[in-house]
Amino acid sequence: DTEVTQTPKHLVMGMTNKKSLKCEQHMGHRAMYWYKQKAKKPPELMFVYSYEKLSINESVPSRFSPECPNSSLLNLHLHALQPEDSALYLCASSQELGESYEQYFGPGTRLTVT
Amino acid sequence: GQNIDQPTEMTATEGAIVQINCTYQTSGFNGLFWYQQHAGEAPTFLSYNVLDGLEEKGRFSSFLSRSKGYSYLLLKELQMKDSASYLCAVVDSNYQLIWGAGTKLIIKP
Repeated sequence: DTEVTQTPKHLVMGMTNKKSLKCEQHMGHRAMYWYKQKAKKPPELMFVYSYEKLSINESVPSRFSPECPNSSLLNLHLHALQPEDSALYLCASSQELGESYEQYFGPGTRLTVT
Repeated sequence: GQNIDQPTEMTATEGAIVQINCTYQTSGFNGLFWYQQHAGEAPTFLSYNVLDGLEEKGRFSSFLSRSKGYSYLLLKELQMKDSASYLCAVVDSNYQLIWGAGTKLIIKP
């Protein structure tokens, strides 16, 4: 199984809503990532978890809150978002952090903030 | 600073060959990835180079010259389904992926 799954595929939320994005992998990978991608731009790293601990936070606003409940799951909690947060949110995983391992990407969640 | 340059857009004909270049200036180098991304979909892994030379995988090949800070992705026998963005990404000294902006490849019949 070389698949990373993400739910939901699409999400529309108002600026006062609270929602969560979910990501799951069963490849035994110990590094998991959240990226944000705007149209015609490369993925922009947000957070990295290594062995279920937050390893990298790329100065992301606190309205985005990551959580890694176990080695297979990664969540991104959203609260009080702004319209400019509308983007494709990609989850990825790799075997380990700190080596040049290929990252496997999920299909993404298309988020629209109204 | 860290910088990766790729052409913004390229056009090629079905059945032909196209070469997509990538030049990089990064703090350290621990390998270079090429990913393919169709519109609205996730990036998918194409190739990884860490040593100089050519890596061939079916219709796709990737070349690396570390001394020149240069890589290219070569696509042969182009098919319409190859229309996508191609992203070059370098692993820096902290093992962070530094992404290029991507090259949008348009295939015409």
